[in-house]
Amino acid sequence: EAQVTQNPRYLITVTGKKLTVTCSQNMNHEYMSWYRQDPGLGLRQIYYSMNVEVTDKGDVPEGYKVSRKEKRNFPLILESPSPNQTSLYFCASSLKPGGALVDTQYFGPGTRLTVL
Amino acid sequence: GNSVTQMEGPVTLSEEAFLTINCTYTATGYPSLFWYVQYPGEGLQLLLKATKADDKGSNKGFEATYRKETTSFHLEKGSVQVSDSAVYFCALRSNDYKLSFGAGTTVTVRA
Repeated sequence: EAQVTQNPRYLITVTGKKLTVTCSQNMNHEYMSWYRQDPGLGLRQIYYSMNVEVTDKGDVPEGYKVSRKEKRNFPLILESPSPNQTSLYFCASSLKPGGALVDTQYFGPGTRLTVL
Repeated sequence: GNSVTQMEGPVTLSEEAFLTINCTYTATGYPSLFWYVQYPGEGLQLLLKATKADDKGSNKGFEATYRKETTSFHLEKGSVQVSDSAVYFCALRSNDYKLSFGAGTTVTVRA
């Protein structure tokens, strides 16, 4: 089954404790992206990746890191989480940038993060 | 920069009622426009899209027409069902690879 998976689905942590949210897709997609969803703000893009070893900042990258060492994986790293990073996070992927099919992004189920 | 403004929610309707969710946008160039739907506890799914002016996207009884003159992409459905209860997001993609989303509209349909 074609899908985007994220782990963990729920996480409660404390300020300053490094964490990683994993994202994996099995559709051989080149383009991957991370979003955060906050009430009244919709989804805001954190980082995106056009291909392996190619990443770029989205609209709200501060406090986050990403890496793309393999095509299928795109982990989101919070080196020193703070309470303002409490949010619902979504990973998404699409076939390739620059073509019409980039328009359809496939989303993971979400990771609800709480930073105390 | 690009931005999307959509109707504030929440919206509560009875089954078989008519649904409209307004969406307007600001963008440079010629953006593609989308509606995504998020069912409870799930990620977003593409509902429909339009890639040029006057295009009409449609899916599952929902429709939206790309109106360049009014920079709008309003979502409509003639007869909603309880299963249409979800959060609906309007979005656009301009000449880069980013998607800009509206704030989302929560729709609840009562039997």
